[in-house]
Amino acid sequence: EPEVTQTPSHQVTQMGQEVILRCVPISNHLYFYWYRQILGQKVEFLVSFYNNEISEKSEIFDDQFSVERPDGSNFTLKIRSTKLEDSAMYFCASSESKGAVGYTFGSGTRLTVV
Amino acid sequence: KQEVTQIPAALSVPEGENLVLNCSFTDSAIYNLQWFRQDPGKGLTSLLLIQSSQREQTSGRLNASLDKSSGRSTLYIAASQPGDSATYLCALMKVTFGTGTKLQVIP
Repeated sequence: EPEVTQTPSHQVTQMGQEVILRCVPISNHLYFYWYRQILGQKVEFLVSFYNNEISEKSEIFDDQFSVERPDGSNFTLKIRSTKLEDSAMYFCASSESKGAVGYTFGSGTRLTVV
Repeated sequence: KQEVTQIPAALSVPEGENLVLNCSFTDSAIYNLQWFRQDPGKGLTSLLLIQSSQREQTSGRLNASLDKSSGRSTLYIAASQPGDSATYLCALMKVTFGTGTKLQVIP
């Protein structure tokens, strides 16, 4: 069964450093998403991406965040200058279309900012 | 703004019991509703997807229903097993997750 792959599974970084989280969505999917889950809290939407541009973003997704699809397979989330409160599990998801079908989630990247 | 609430927040049941998890939402203008399970420290595994035009979906021991008019969905788990222990999340597309129900099935 097709999977969404995320790397690394765990990343530790110092406050103020830039991090890039990587995702390989399912190959025939057209919509891509990033979510985060702070330990013990709800899963929160960050951004959706379609046709090489952001289609929707939440209040959390400020200027410190950016997304990119650098080639035909990868989808990345960059945090420019990490803060302690960015520590969370980050999930990538993809879907074939918007809303009509379900999302497939990756297993997540646990980001720890120290 | 869509608010999604799951009740109860935690549930502990003996093995073999049937159980119902509840999800309520405030905005009925949804594309679909998806139920996930999340094991500790792990990702999200999709269980069932109900499209907005449907009223229920079944997969094995799981049955999910959707009532858009009342803003409710339920996930029914039959004959619970210890392997069902996890946190169950409902998610409304667009993009809003519920608060989760942590289920523990006691062998």
